[in-house]
Amino acid sequence: AQTVTQSQPEMSVQEAETVTLSCTYDTSENNYYLFWYKQPPSRQMILVIRQEAYKQQNATENRFSVNFQKAAKSFSLKISDSQLGDTAMYFCAFPNYGQNFVFGPGTRLSVLP
Amino acid sequence: GAVVSQHPSWVICKSGTSVKIECRSLDFQATTMFWYRQFPKQSLMLMATSNEGSKATYEQGVEKDKFLINHASLTLSTLTVTSAHPEDSSFYICSASFWTSGGRNSYEQYFGPGTRLTVT
Repeated sequence: AQTVTQSQPEMSVQEAETVTLSCTYDTSENNYYLFWYKQPPSRQMILVIRQEAYKQQNATENRFSVNFQKAAKSFSLKISDSQLGDTAMYFCAFPNYGQNFVFGPGTRLSVLP
Repeated sequence: GAVVSQHPSWVICKSGTSVKIECRSLDFQATTMFWYRQFPKQSLMLMATSNEGSKATYEQGVEKDKFLINHASLTLSTLTVTSAHPEDSSFYICSASFWTSGGRNSYEQYFGPGTRLTVT
């Protein structure tokens, strides 16, 4: 079974600082995608960033970047210049054989003023 | 683009009644829709996957007779909670995915805003 692990249930960071959220996964697939979703207090799921496993280059979206280590099955999210609006639950997600998502348990991030 | 709506956003119903939640893809045709359930401070748990025109595939432990899913068109899926009980109270989220015109699927899912169900 494909599994996704997020080892940090809660984290906090000072505004303008950098924080890294960790995610590891287990799969026997070779080509796949990985996602980070954000769920703010409104509970709307918002895509943060997506990584294609066959691409060597780490994905970047403005202040958000990933460190994708395929051999280690690690997919961490780095948030630079943290803002108050980044306060949310962050879920790492893996498409299960190209269909539904397997979500990690989530990391609750608080950005402190 | 790729907007998904859910209706209602919240609903309160009495124990023993049924409630229907609608999930619509507003600006694209969703080949597959997913229904998740989320308890407070927990992750999303997949309930079922539905493809347009075919029966939904339920996850282990999800009662298909209690959670009826209908995916009647490429833009609409409904979840009906039948004979609801207080333990069915939860946050229900739908999502949708689609294949691009080039036949490639990025596997990204587009999420609705969720429906909070309270059964009294």
